[in-house]
Amino acid sequence: GAGVSQSPRYKVAKRGQDVALRCDPISGHVSLFWYQQALGQGPEFLTYFQNEAQLDKSGLPSDRFFAERPEGSVSTLKIQRTQQEDSAVYLCASSGYRGVEQFFGPGTRLTVL
Amino acid sequence: SQKIEQNSEALNIQEGKTATLTCNYTNYSPAYLQWYRQDPGRGPVFLLLIRENEKEKRKERLKVTFDTTLKQSLFHITASQPADSATYLCAPLYSTLTFGKGTMLLVSP
Repeated sequence: GAGVSQSPRYKVAKRGQDVALRCDPISGHVSLFWYQQALGQGPEFLTYFQNEAQLDKSGLPSDRFFAERPEGSVSTLKIQRTQQEDSAVYLCASSGYRGVEQFFGPGTRLTVL
Repeated sequence: SQKIEQNSEALNIQEGKTATLTCNYTNYSPAYLQWYRQDPGRGPVFLLLIRENEKEKRKERLKVTFDTTLKQSLFHITASQPADSATYLCAPLYSTLTFGKGTMLLVSP
């Protein structure tokens, strides 16, 4: 595709449910990033992959958050036992080189009731 | 940890004027700093990057400056248009890209 795509665009979960958010990066981009953006805030870094290797997961807020990119392309962010404070927009970005000009997807808006 | 400060108040200007947005950071200077535009319901879009050893960068109607003494970057849009209305995010690179909260710009006709 022409850009980064994410699915679903919107997700409503009941507290305690597990959710999986998908990111399809731009073809050929080796770097992939996940961010969390709360209302009125800037994106906050969660984790970074270079190909299939997760090189930095320092931003993941708890061990309920898990990300993978098994074949170095599509990535999935999984949140287990969702809490209300997990409600946010989750953005995925890809880049041809770490940190330079990141291309963002439209985000997945997660609402935990 | 690094703090990135951007004007929290929305900036309202008239069409045709120059908009100037400010980004301040604490502690040490980043290797480079990026500016992004974000429209409601969309992901950020990259605009410009300026490196630590560069004073100024231009791209069409956009200009970015980087003052490591003041620990500040300024983002200018000249001849502003209503279509420039959006939130603008400053993002210096430390170990990871660290975004500010963004400043909303409203350009009225």
